[in-house]
Amino acid sequence: GENVEQHPSTLSVQEGDSAVIKCTYSDSASNYFPWYKQELGKGPQLIIDIRSNVGEKKDQRIAVTLNKTAKHFSLHITETQPEDSAVYFCAASWSGAGSYQLTFGKGTKLSVIP
Amino acid sequence: GAVVSQHPSRVICKSGTSVKIECRSLDFQATTMFWYRQFPKQSLMLMATSNEGSKATYEQGVEKDKFLINHASLTLSTLTVTSAHPEDSSFYICSLARDTSTDTQYFGPGTRLTVL
Repeated sequence: GENVEQHPSTLSVQEGDSAVIKCTYSDSASNYFPWYKQELGKGPQLIIDIRSNVGEKKDQRIAVTLNKTAKHFSLHITETQPEDSAVYFCAASWSGAGSYQLTFGKGTKLSVIP
Repeated sequence: GAVVSQHPSRVICKSGTSVKIECRSLDFQATTMFWYRQFPKQSLMLMATSNEGSKATYEQGVEKDKFLINHASLTLSTLTVTSAHPEDSSFYICSLARDTSTDTQYFGPGTRLTVL
C-alpha cells in the first residue's frame, strides 16, 4: 500500500513570511495529491489539490508543486496570516477495491506568529 | 466544493451503549462515503468505505460488527458504534466523493465521541 511521509511536524513562521511543507509518497501509481487544512475541533478542509499530469498549481497565496520522478510534493503558503495557523495534512490517492482511497501524512502544525 | 454535515457534533455515552453518527451530503448525491477516526494530535485513519446500496468495505483491524455502517441513500450514511468502550473515544469524521471516477473527498465537521 501507499505510504506518505510529511515534514516538518511543526512549523512556526512570522506573519508575512512563507511556509513550506513537504511530503513524499511511495506508490508510483498514485496520481492525485490533495492538501487539507484542519482547525482545532473541525473536519479537514480541502485547500488545494494537484494531479500527476501537472507540475504546479497555484491559488492566490497557496501553491502546490509535484515532482513525480522523485515522488514528492510540497505546499507553499506565501504572505502568511494568523488565520493560516492550523494543522495541514497532505495525502495521496490510489485506487483500491474499486474506489479511491486517500493515504494521509501525519500532519504539520503551522503556527503563524503575529 | 461540497457541503457535508454530521450529527451529533459531540456525544457522551456510558460504556456498553450504542451510538449512531449521521453523515449527510447537503448539495450533491454521494456515491461513495468514507469513515475515518482521528486520535488527538494524530492523522486520519480510514475505517471503512461504503457505496450506496452495498456493504461497506472495512480496513484491516476495524471490527465490522462493532462499527456498523449503513449507506442508506446517496445523501446519508450512518456509523453506529455498538457496545462502546472508553477506548472507542475518538473524533469520527466522514467524507464524501461524488463518484469513484474522481478522487476528491469532502469532509464533514466531525463528531467527538466520549465514552465514560
